[in-house]
Amino acid sequence: DAKTTQPPSMDCAEGRAANLPCNHSTISGNEYVYWYRQIHSQGPQYIIHGLKNNETNEMASLIITEDRKSSTLILPHATLRDTAVYYCIVRGLMKTSYDKVIFGPGTSLSVIP
Amino acid sequence: GAVVSQHPSRVICKSGTSVKIECRSLDFQATTMFWYRQFPKQSLMLMATSNEGSKATYEQGVEKDKFLINHASLTLSTLTVTSAHPEDSSFYICSAIVPRDSYGYTFGSGTRLTVV
Repeated sequence: DAKTTQPPSMDCAEGRAANLPCNHSTISGNEYVYWYRQIHSQGPQYIIHGLKNNETNEMASLIITEDRKSSTLILPHATLRDTAVYYCIVRGLMKTSYDKVIFGPGTSLSVIP
Repeated sequence: GAVVSQHPSRVICKSGTSVKIECRSLDFQATTMFWYRQFPKQSLMLMATSNEGSKATYEQGVEKDKFLINHASLTLSTLTVTSAHPEDSSFYICSAIVPRDSYGYTFGSGTRLTVV
């Protein structure tokens, strides 16, 4: 079973920041938070990941609470092309064949003009 | 970045025939690949884990004789849907662990299978 819970859907106005929450209350000390997104009829795309510090890259920012039980993915200026299903996943650093990923239902983000 | 090339992107086949889907890692060696299927408006469901040179490990409820997985080289894994039926119509996606960085997975672009 997926170890995360996310709201099923969210709307965001174009140009505004999209803040997508994720709860992972059972995360263990060596597990990372990964975010992927899936645009309709495409394979998932990696966005960002983090352990306990906040992270930022060219796509998004990841804010992880101090107790690591929840996180927020921030798309600073959402565009229509950001409309997708966003998946929050908790796993160990994925380098071995045992680190299979189980996807939850994710959050369907709709960016509205 | 690491790329997994998946083919075909779309395929239509008749009931009772078999269909092969290929996934190739283009610039890295993928010792482990994963196969998912996805029904409309649902999340990805893990079907099996394939390791180069060994038998695939199937998730509970996935018929290994129906979904044949071969991972004969470090850059190629194939999924063959045998004796396809309309209920096998789905979106199939492969992914691979990228060994040189912490991205975790990289995904193929998916194959839309329609069985008529």
